[in-house]
Amino acid sequence: AQKITQTQPGMFVQEKEAVTLDCTYDTSDQSYGLFWYKQPSSGEMIFLIYQGSYDEQNATEGRYSLNFQKARKSANLVISASQLGDSAMYFCAMREQGNQFYFGTGTSLTVIP
Amino acid sequence: KAGVTQTPRYLIKTRGQQVTLSCSPISGHRSVSWYQQTPGQGLQFLFEYFSETQRNKGNFPGRFSGRQFSNSRSEMNVSTLELGDSALYLCASTRWGGGLQETQYFGPGTRLLVL
Repeated sequence: AQKITQTQPGMFVQEKEAVTLDCTYDTSDQSYGLFWYKQPSSGEMIFLIYQGSYDEQNATEGRYSLNFQKARKSANLVISASQLGDSAMYFCAMREQGNQFYFGTGTSLTVIP
Repeated sequence: KAGVTQTPRYLIKTRGQQVTLSCSPISGHRSVSWYQQTPGQGLQFLFEYFSETQRNKGNFPGRFSGRQFSNSRSEMNVSTLELGDSALYLCASTRWGGGLQETQYFGPGTRLLVL
């Protein structure tokens, strides 16, 4: 079974609008970490936001927020006030204790002027 | 603080050859992980090194190998290259590599093309 599932291969959003990128995960661990990365066309992976499994509040980092629903095992990324520079691939990842990162297949986001 | 650096950035090889890629982690980081990224497969974990020891390994054939030096720099080697090895190879570093909160910081990657 896939550890991380991103069901949206591609998304479009109008500039200045908000967009939600979906991510569901599969784990039987109680302790785990969830991450979102952005990958522009240059190829470098840029860390955006982290959510711990025991964190009671949703993580926020500037225009990025993580909608964490533990019971549904979902960790959706919300980008508010989209900018043209947000056009990129976005990857959801999970880390279980002591293990490597598991990445989803990514969502390609295009911001339309 | 300098980020993760990878060399070379681009590489063209022919089938059957071997290749060595290099990664220098962020200063103070002791864990280095390698990933292969292809359009169809996404990011696939290759292996992780910590303090010169391989700590985790993904599901790749033995043609893929790596090592880590005492200064935490890491190399990965692919022998007997196949066309399917064409990919972006990403290196990532963390300070310890064992904490849930530890963020992996990635290098710019090496784009390998096998002809």
